[in-house]
Amino acid sequence: EAQVTQNPRYLITVTGKKLTVTCSQNMNHEYMSWYRQDPGLGLRQIYYSMNVEVTDKGDVPEGYKVSRKEKRNFPLILESPSPNQTSLYFCASTIDRGRGSPLHFGNGTRLTVT
Amino acid sequence: AQTVTQSQPEMSVQEAETVTLSCTYDTSENNYYLFWYKQPPSRQMILVIRQEAYKQQNATENRFSVNFQKAAKSFSLKISDSQLGDTAMYFCAFMKLGGTSYGKLTFGQGTILTVHP
Repeated sequence: EAQVTQNPRYLITVTGKKLTVTCSQNMNHEYMSWYRQDPGLGLRQIYYSMNVEVTDKGDVPEGYKVSRKEKRNFPLILESPSPNQTSLYFCASTIDRGRGSPLHFGNGTRLTVT
Repeated sequence: AQTVTQSQPEMSVQEAETVTLSCTYDTSENNYYLFWYKQPPSRQMILVIRQEAYKQQNATENRFSVNFQKAAKSFSLKISDSQLGDTAMYFCAFMKLGGTSYGKLTFGQGTILTVHP
């Protein structure tokens, strides 16, 4: 089954403790991205990657890192999480290449930073 | 930069009736796509419908249709014969075509739709 898999689904951590949210897709998509969803703000792009070893900042990249060492994986790293990073996070991928193909989303990770 | 605005934070409708969700956007681009995504309580992001900006004909998918007004930069979603399973948050989103930032979706704030029996 074609899918984007995110883990974990829920995560509670404390301020400053490094964490990684994993994302993997099995559709051979070149383009992958991370979004965060906050009430009243919709979803906002954090980082994106157009291919292996090619990543760039989205609209809200502060406090996050990403890497793209393999085509299928695109982990999101919070090296020193803070309470304002409490949010719902989505990984997404697409074959797009600028032609308007829809994004395929993972099931989300609910992160709480205390 | 593009912006997408959904001015209705919450809507409700009776089962079997019709409801329309509003969306406006602002862009200087000519080539783009518009999308509606549904997010039920399970948190999944499910594509409902998409519209190519250069197509004048409004997109339809079964009970879902859009009213795309390019000059007015308006993209509303009409749900006919509403069902209990339509209860969800609905997001309107914009995607620019081509360029160096392809694949990026710019989302509206979302509209919570509740379908009552």
